[in-house]
Amino acid sequence: DAGVIQSPRHEVTEMGQEVTLRCKPISGHNSLFWYRQTMMRGLELLIYFNNNVPIDDSGMPEDRFSAKMPNASFSTLKIQPSEPRDSAVYFCASSSGQSYTDTQYFGPGTRLTVL
Amino acid sequence: GENVEQHPSTLSVQEGDSAVIKCTYSDSASNYFPWYKQELGKGPQLIIDIRSNVGEKKDQRIAVTLNKTAKHFSLHITETQPEDSAVYFCAVTDSWGKLQFGAGTQVVVTP
Repeated sequence: DAGVIQSPRHEVTEMGQEVTLRCKPISGHNSLFWYRQTMMRGLELLIYFNNNVPIDDSGMPEDRFSAKMPNASFSTLKIQPSEPRDSAVYFCASSSGQSYTDTQYFGPGTRLTVL
Repeated sequence: GENVEQHPSTLSVQEGDSAVIKCTYSDSASNYFPWYKQELGKGPQLIIDIRSNVGEKKDQRIAVTLNKTAKHFSLHITETQPEDSAVYFCAVTDSWGKLQFGAGTQVVVTP
């Protein structure tokens, strides 16, 4: 049974470049979350989708960040232009419920390094 | 907003001994308290959770206790094994229902 799939697993890019992170949630799950993990700030929620609709994007740092969920099996997180301070591990998680208290299943993460 | 404090930041235990991690929170309206385990190079994985109508929950070697009056909850791991070595995160729902995570505890189980 496949879990949450994220790609790429590692991304190294130069400042100013566009970065796109991808996520495939667990089949049948209707909620999707994007998190960012850094040593300084820990694990932070960036955005939450339910039934492909963004419900809460208050955690998105700034306009350089955007997320989409065109269908139930795919989501992207885009950073344009990227900056060194965006370096972090980005996790996607999905759940079968409609609230934050339903079990969230995390993907393996994408380690982003912006030079 | 919700403030979650997790202690200790690192914990070294001998195999077979118990490990206890404690988290405190500030929002009395919080009602969901999960614990996640994160192994190196992997995403966090839910290991146990407790809701505010329950004081204690146990699943084999792990247990969580909740004290809503004092606003703290703890993770207990008994008979620790090397595979328990990982980073453990507590989390709490804030007033918006979103999960706020603690800073994490690095647990090292030495044989």
